[in-house]
Amino acid sequence: AQTVTQSQPEMSVQEAETVTLSCTYDTSESDYYLFWYKQPPSRQMILVIRQEAYKQQNATENRFSVNFQKAAKSFSLKISDSQLGDAAMYFCAYRRWGRGDMRFGAGTRLTVKP
Amino acid sequence: DTAVSQTPKYLVTQMGNDKSIKCEQNLGHDTMYWYKQDSKKFLKIMFSYNNKELIINETVPNRFSPKSPDKAHLNLHINSLELGDSAVYFCASSQDRGGAGTDTQYFGPGTRLTVL
Repeated sequence: AQTVTQSQPEMSVQEAETVTLSCTYDTSESDYYLFWYKQPPSRQMILVIRQEAYKQQNATENRFSVNFQKAAKSFSLKISDSQLGDAAMYFCAYRRWGRGDMRFGAGTRLTVKP
Repeated sequence: DTAVSQTPKYLVTQMGNDKSIKCEQNLGHDTMYWYKQDSKKFLKIMFSYNNKELIINETVPNRFSPKSPDKAHLNLHINSLELGDSAVYFCASSQDRGGAGTDTQYFGPGTRLTVL
């Protein structure tokens, strides 16, 4: 079974600084997808970034980037120039090729200090 | 313009009642999902439908019954509600082209169910 582990229940960052959220996963599959979702207090699940396992290049979306280490089964999220609006729960998720459901980590609550 | 919508957003009911949550997506996706988020924020898949066909059915009590009248709708009916059913239920959809699991899932706003 695939499992996703987020070892940091809470993280804090100063506005305009950079923060990295950790995620590791366990799988025996070679083809899969990894995601980071953001859940602000509004409860809405918002896709932040996604990575296909077959791609060696790390995904980037504006201030958000990932460090994907396939051999280590690690998928961390880096948020640069943190903004107050980045404060939220962040969920790492795994999705195997050929099966649609996602497996989520327990989440990391990010606080951004002004 | 809402991509994935759920109704109601809040649902408070008594133990033993039967309730339904509706989900609709206007993205033209062919796969829809129900997830449950418990009080500790843990998200877990419950069901998935592809073109109205059930493709994922996790270990969920049979009091929960999904219904997909067409590929744009996936409703969740819950019989004999229990205290432990209190949670936030999320609907999601993706374009999976036959359940291949290739595309990003888009989530609805969630329905907070409280069972008293």
